[in-house]
Parts: sequence; C-alpha cells; structure tokens
Amino acid sequence: AQSVAQPEDQVNVAEGNPLTVKCTYSVSGNPYLFWYVQYPNRGLQFLLKYITGDNLVKGSYGFEAEFNKSQTSFHLKKPSALVSDSALYFCAVRAPNSGNTPLVFGKGTRLSVIA
Amino acid sequence: KAGVTQTPRYLIKTRGQQVTLSCSPISGHRSVSWYQQTPGQGLQFLFEYFSETQRNKGNFPGRFSGRQFSNSRSEMNVSTLELGDSALYLCASSSLGGAATNEKLFFGSGTQLSVL
Repeated sequence: AQSVAQPEDQVNVAEGNPLTVKCTYSVSGNPYLFWYVQYPNRGLQFLLKYITGDNLVKGSYGFEAEFNKSQTSFHLKKPSALVSDSALYFCAVRAPNSGNTPLVFGKGTRLSVIA
Repeated sequence: KAGVTQTPRYLIKTRGQQVTLSCSPISGHRSVSWYQQTPGQGLQFLFEYFSETQRNKGNFPGRFSGRQFSNSRSEMNVSTLELGDSALYLCASSSLGGAATNEKLFFGSGTQLSVL
C-alpha cells in the first residue's frame, strides 16, 4: 500500500527566508510524487510533480522539490518566502503501474509566512 | 477553459437527511474523483468515475454513493447523514484518471457540508 507522511502540521517562516515543507513516502517501486497547494476557500492547485529524471523538480510560483530515494523524501522548498505563500500544502503519491489506484494525499502542512 | 465547478458551495443539513452534491469537470475530462477533506484526516479518497463507470472506491460506508453522466458530470450522494459527515467535499477531474498515473488533478472549490 502507498502512503505519504507530512510530519509537521504547521510551519512558520519569516518573509524573505527560505522555506521547507517536509514529505516522506512509502510505496513499492519508483513513486510518482506531487505537491498541491490550497488557498483559503479554494480547491487544491497543482504545484509540481516528480515522475522520473532529474531529482530536483521546479514548479509554479518559484517552488521546487527534491526527490531523495534513499531517504524516501520529497521536500518542498522555496529560496525566499512571500506572505502570499501562506496556505495549506499537500504532498501526494501514486505507485506507477498501479492500475486504477487513486492519488494518496498526506494530511497537509499549514505554512504561515510572517511579514 | 472553465475549471471544475462544484455546486452548491455550502450546505447545512440535519442528521438523518440525505444530500446530493454536483460536479462539472473541465470540458473533455472523462475522469472525476471525489475526496473528503477534514482537518484531522486530510484528504480521503471516496471514489472515481470514468466514462460513467465507477473505477475505484475508497473505504467509506455504503451511505456514500455516486454516479457519472454521459456528459462526464458527476453527482455524489450521502444518505442518512451523521455529524461526522461534516466536511469539505472536493471533486477533481483529469483526462484519463487512474489509467494515466502521472496525470495531475484539477480540483473544484468544494462543497462545505455541515451536519447539525
């Protein structure tokens, strides 16, 4: 079975500082990994995904994530946080060649960027 | 291109009632998935429909059901509502859904259901 863990419920960072939102996964084989963001009163929006290739994936709004197979992690990062980055972030995983199994989401990490 | 549309935006019901939620996917998308979002549990998968067929189902009781129409619009029904059903219900669409495991999902803004 595939699963994903986001160990921090809340991350606080000062505007202009780098930010990291952590994600670890458990899946058989090489995973497909995703990050989504949810702004208040909105649905989830796709940020980036790792399928194969370069371990550093660049996505929307200046975000990037690094796939680390040995640590089974896929942490989301941004060099300089903005107040507008404050939102709920979800990591998700799916095993390749897994038929119709759905995307499995973590419980989310709330990011607060303080001016 | 219009995004995923969910109606209604808010619903207030009492225990024992039933409710129907609607989702219109992005034009051309044939897969519609439903998720329940609660603060403690995050997003939990309910079911996925593709070309009017339920292709996958999560671990929810039979009170939760859904269907998809020929135009890919989907409805979700919850019967005999319980207090614990209070949640944000999200619908997501994609072109091929589970058959293309690296596809991203496009989410609607959700229906906030409150059960009193």
